[in-house]
Amino acid sequence: DGGITQSPKYLFRKEGQNVTLSCEQNLNHDAMYWYRQDPGQGLRLIYYSQIVNDFQKGDIAEGYSVSREKKESFPLTVTSAQKNPTAFYLCASSIKQGVYSNQPQHFGDGTRLSIL
Amino acid sequence: DAKTTQPPSMDCAEGRAANLPCNHSTISGNEYVYWYRQIHSQGPQYIIHGLKNNETNEMASLIITEDRKSSTLILPHATLRDTAVYYCIVRVRDMRFGAGTRLTVKP
Repeated sequence: DGGITQSPKYLFRKEGQNVTLSCEQNLNHDAMYWYRQDPGQGLRLIYYSQIVNDFQKGDIAEGYSVSREKKESFPLTVTSAQKNPTAFYLCASSIKQGVYSNQPQHFGDGTRLSIL
Repeated sequence: DAKTTQPPSMDCAEGRAANLPCNHSTISGNEYVYWYRQIHSQGPQYIIHGLKNNETNEMASLIITEDRKSSTLILPHATLRDTAVYYCIVRVRDMRFGAGTRLTVKP
């Protein structure tokens, strides 16, 4: 089945460590996104990418980094500079924006990151 | 991007229609209305979207007022599995999720 796969489902990090969250999609979507969700709140955009080898900062990019070397993959690294990384992280993808900007985003099932 | 206003919570009896309202009074002409829902500890699930005409799919119906300043998501026969947080979003590019409406379907 086509979809978005995030791994791992749960992740624990020691303070001072960088961790990388995986996001893979087989929907042939051009655009991919990373969001952060804190308890009881909506989603906030961290980074997004509309095409391979290109990405833009969202509203809360500080302390995070991404890469987009392949169309189907958009990993997110939570660096030690992110002072409050405990959250639920969601990856999404869609048909390329700007051309079909009315197309919805489709989400993975998320990774829950906790600090030890 | 336009902002949306939704009630924080609603209840619905199982088997009845659930009507979830959303106000988006500052929506602009090229912004679509999207609805998603999120069940605890899962990613948001896309339900439906529209621009100005009413839309229907296998999950729900979307009614958009003529002035486009508000909309209603209708789940025609709510089941216990429809209990979730429902988000109404208007956007041109990025998805901006607010707090949504927590719908509880009761037996």
